[in-house]
Amino acid sequence: NAGVMQNPRHLVRRRGQEARLRCSPMKGHSHVYWYRQLPEEGLKFMVYLQKENIIDESGMPKERFSAEFPKEGPSILRIQQVVRGDSAAYFCASSPDTPQYNSPLHFGNGTRLTVT
Amino acid sequence: DQQVKQNSPSLSVQEGRISILNCDYTNSMFDYFLWYKKYPAEGPTFLISISSIKDKNEDGRFTVFLNKSAKHLSLHIVPSQPGDSAVYFCAARDDKIIFGKGTRLHILP
Repeated sequence: NAGVMQNPRHLVRRRGQEARLRCSPMKGHSHVYWYRQLPEEGLKFMVYLQKENIIDESGMPKERFSAEFPKEGPSILRIQQVVRGDSAAYFCASSPDTPQYNSPLHFGNGTRLTVT
Repeated sequence: DQQVKQNSPSLSVQEGRISILNCDYTNSMFDYFLWYKKYPAEGPTFLISISSIKDKNEDGRFTVFLNKSAKHLSLHIVPSQPGDSAVYFCAARDDKIIFGKGTRLHILP
């Protein structure tokens, strides 16, 4: 009965390094969403992916951020050349259906990225 | 520009009383609304939802009310219990799910 699995739980990177965050959706779910939560803020939508396709990346910063959800393996959120402002909690969520269906998102426990 | 607004950052309620969390939205295209609960160091957990064609949905101690003309929804928890202390996020969907900033609920003994 595994839920959405995210790893690592905590990630520390120096400025300029790359951060790779992984997300395995719930079994049977083929839709993955990434959200970011800055301190004292709500959850901000970043990107929505289905297997091998980016459906909506309207919330992704234009530079340094990328996401993928390959046919095999977890979804990856990659942040290149991290800066202090990237420090946040990054949450992945999955659902079995497209957004048109009334299926709630199921969230992982997040990856807390700290940039020093 | 916030499409989903939770104007109360925090709320304290006596154990056993009713907790009422409020949420306002601006986008009339939202057709599905959700409430999530979040404990520290954990991901948000889905609580209850409501479609825009309804004005009330109830699940145990949790009831969500939707007032479309006012673009307002609320979550009622009754009776409130100590384990309800958490941050509550209101969310709404057009083509993706958009979250408010959350309200921290403290249940007082």
